[in-house]
Parts: sequence; C-alpha cells; structure tokens
Amino acid sequence: QKEVEQNSGPLSVPEGAIASLNCTYSDRVSQSFFWYRQYSGKSPELIMSIYSNGDKEDGRFTAQLNKASQYVSLLIRDSQPSDSATYLCAIYNRGFGNEKLTFGTGTRLTIIP
Amino acid sequence: GAGVSQSPRYKVAKRGQDVALRCDPISGHVSLFWYQQALGQGPEFLTYFQNEAQLDKSGLPSDRFFAERPEGSVSTLKIQRTQQEDSAVYLCASSNRGGGYTFGSGTRLTVV
Repeated sequence: QKEVEQNSGPLSVPEGAIASLNCTYSDRVSQSFFWYRQYSGKSPELIMSIYSNGDKEDGRFTAQLNKASQYVSLLIRDSQPSDSATYLCAIYNRGFGNEKLTFGTGTRLTIIP
Repeated sequence: GAGVSQSPRYKVAKRGQDVALRCDPISGHVSLFWYQQALGQGPEFLTYFQNEAQLDKSGLPSDRFFAERPEGSVSTLKIQRTQQEDSAVYLCASSNRGGGYTFGSGTRLTVV
C-alpha cells in the first residue's frame, strides 16, 4: 500500500460546480497535510494546509481532515476553468532528521466550461 | 532571492554523460529538498538538507546520484553516467517551517 493514495482521474467537473478531491494515507502518525496544485509543465504550488481534524476554508477552497479515517479532502467551490490542473496531496511527518513531504500521484482535474 | 531558482531549465544529456543541476533556495531557508518527478507521477523524495548537513538521502535511487550543499545555501544534484531512466523533472524546494515548501521551476532532464 502506498503511503498516500489519490484517484489519478481525470476528474471532469462542470464550471460553477463543486470539485471534490480525495486522499487517503497509511501512516497514523502523520502530522500535517497539504494540497498542492500543479499546472501542466509547471512546478507544484501550495494552496492549502491543514493540521487538525475538521474543515479549513480559504476562499473557494475547503480542506477537510479526518485523522481517525486517515482521510483528507479538498473541495473547490464555484469551479473555474483556471482550476484545471493536477492536485497533489502531501503528508508531513516530522521525525528526527527527517522533514520530508510524501506526495500522492495526483488527481487531474478538468473544469468543463 | 524572491523564489527558488533552478538551473538549467532544460538539459539534454547523452547516455553515460555526467550532469549537475543547481538549486538556489529562498534566502534564509534552512531546509532544502530534492525531488524527482516522472511524467504523470507525483514528486518522489530524493534527499534533504538542513543547512549544510544532508540529513536524509534515502530516496537517491543509486550511487550515481550525489547531492551537496557545502555552505548551507546553494545545492547541486549530480548524476553520474546518466541512464535513460534518469529522464524526469528534478524539483528543488526550500522551507523554513514544517511542510510549507516553495518549489523551484524544476530542471527537465532528458537522457538520449
């Protein structure tokens, strides 16, 4: 089992609808969770971070974390064509001498005008 | 600098050639990371520095890969005797707190 699992997609959502992206992880001691957006040919860009169970909202984006279920999701409201990208889920475990992020394979999202 | 700078942006190497990829992190960022991203995949961890100390190199795929950060700022990832399977985008990121990485634009390496 991979440490971070995402549905690779593609996920197609009509413009204006809610896009829901999901991620599960295997390491129960994971501490922090991140969503990165990556446009084709570009580098990943941090869009959301979440550390505690529950929801965290930032503009049109909401991250949801459920540590008991080892599940983190990203909701994008009022989807726009500019949201079309690959979304990478990443987990962070701070151990001694190790601060790496572990990424999923990403979900490719397409917003249909 | 304002962001993480990587060079070259693109590199074509003949199989067997040595290459060196450079990363200039955000000024003052203590942590520096190298990742490898194959087409259609997420970034895979290669190695991590805290200042000049290489604290984790568990992701380096073989002893042909070597990274250094001698003065705790600029880092170089060196790949010796490149192979076709080394073709990928090499991403550098820096951070001054847990997990909030800023990535550079990457170096796309193509081995022919």
